[in-house]
Amino acid sequence: NAGVTQTPKFQVLKTGQSMTLQCAQDMNHEYMSWYRQDPGMGLRLIHYSVGAGITDQGEVPNGYNVSRSTTEDFPLRLLSAAPSQTSVYFCASSYFSGRGGSNYGYTFGSGTRLTVV
Amino acid sequence: AQTVTQSQPEMSVQEAETVTLSCTYDTSESDYYLFWYKQPPSRQMILVIRQEAYKQQNATENRFSVNFQKAAKSFSLKISDSQLGDAAMYFCAYRSPTGSEKLVFGKGTKLTVNP
Repeated sequence: NAGVTQTPKFQVLKTGQSMTLQCAQDMNHEYMSWYRQDPGMGLRLIHYSVGAGITDQGEVPNGYNVSRSTTEDFPLRLLSAAPSQTSVYFCASSYFSGRGGSNYGYTFGSGTRLTVV
Repeated sequence: AQTVTQSQPEMSVQEAETVTLSCTYDTSESDYYLFWYKQPPSRQMILVIRQEAYKQQNATENRFSVNFQKAAKSFSLKISDSQLGDAAMYFCAYRSPTGSEKLVFGKGTKLTVNP
């Protein structure tokens, strides 16, 4: 099925460990982004990409790294996990609003619940 | 920078009744897109309805409709004939068609549907 695939769905890390959250989409979307969701805070943008080889910071980028070598994949790396990074992480993708016609909504992955102890 | 405000952290409705969730936003742009997303306990983000700012007609998707007031920068969601499956967090979101085109979210409204 077409969509956004995120792995893993759950992860527990120890403080200081590193890991990569995977995100892949098969809709040929140019735009991909990572959000974190914390209680009472809505979803906040971590990093985003407007195409292969192009990334930029969002609202809460500290402690995270991204790269985009292909249109399909946009992994999120936690460099040295901290308890403050305990959250639910979502990957999302979209066409640029001008290219997608009426299809300008974002498609979200199913999320990763990350706990840092 | 654009901001989105959902002033109702929690709402409740009786099954089969109608409920309206509020959303206001702040922007200096004249063209943009607005969305309502539903997040059930499964945590999947589901697009409920969307609106293009240049369209005066309010969007409708089955039991879901919006009241888009561009001058007031208001974008409320009306759910008619509420069902138990409508219980979820609802997020209002804004997308600019220029620049980074990132999606800006409100903090959400938790909707409870009582049988």
